[in-house]
Amino acid sequence: RKEVEQDPGPFNVPEGATVAFNCTYSNSASQSFFWYRQDCRKEPKLLMSVYSSGNEDGRFTAQLNRASQYISLLIRDSKLSDSATYLCVVNGGSSGDKLTFGTGTRLAVRP
Amino acid sequence: NAGVTQTPKFQVLKTGQSMTLQCAQDMNHEYMSWYRQDPGMGLRLIHYSVGAGITDQGEVPNGYNVSRSTTEDFPLRLLSAAPSQTSVYFCASSYAAGYEQYFGPGTRLTVT
Repeated sequence: RKEVEQDPGPFNVPEGATVAFNCTYSNSASQSFFWYRQDCRKEPKLLMSVYSSGNEDGRFTAQLNRASQYISLLIRDSKLSDSATYLCVVNGGSSGDKLTFGTGTRLAVRP
Repeated sequence: NAGVTQTPKFQVLKTGQSMTLQCAQDMNHEYMSWYRQDPGMGLRLIHYSVGAGITDQGEVPNGYNVSRSTTEDFPLRLLSAAPSQTSVYFCASSYAAGYEQYFGPGTRLTVT
């Protein structure tokens, strides 16, 4: 089993749609969780940290389910500018306390 | 603050050549790391450093060396370039291991 697993997509959605991504992780001892956004040919940028109680930032909501070992990202009212690859990031696993990056889920928002 | 800077942005090398990718950060972060990103494989950790004078190997260290003489700088050296090292290289920094990382803009390296 991969340490961090994501559906590669692509998810093709119309503007205004709500879309959700899930990510599973293998190390039950992981403590830090993040979602990053990566645009084509650019560096990954932190989108949001994921807290145990869940957190929201505008149209974006992140949730953590420790029992099932997954995190989710919900994007409401999708914009064209949301088109990007979304990386799930978790600490722990074979890399110790270091971060392990998922391979990403690609989102394409169409007009 | 400039954040994390990397040079060069693009580089073409011939097999067997050596070069150094530069990385600097101005956030006073202790933890710095180098990743390579290849299509379909995500980010893979090459080397990392938890502070000045301390470096360690990541997942794919072969063919690369690093040093950390100052908190700010973390150069990556390719000893003898091979076509398998064609990739995009990202440097990142964070307060400590396990914290959110901030990435530089990347170096696109082609080895012919």
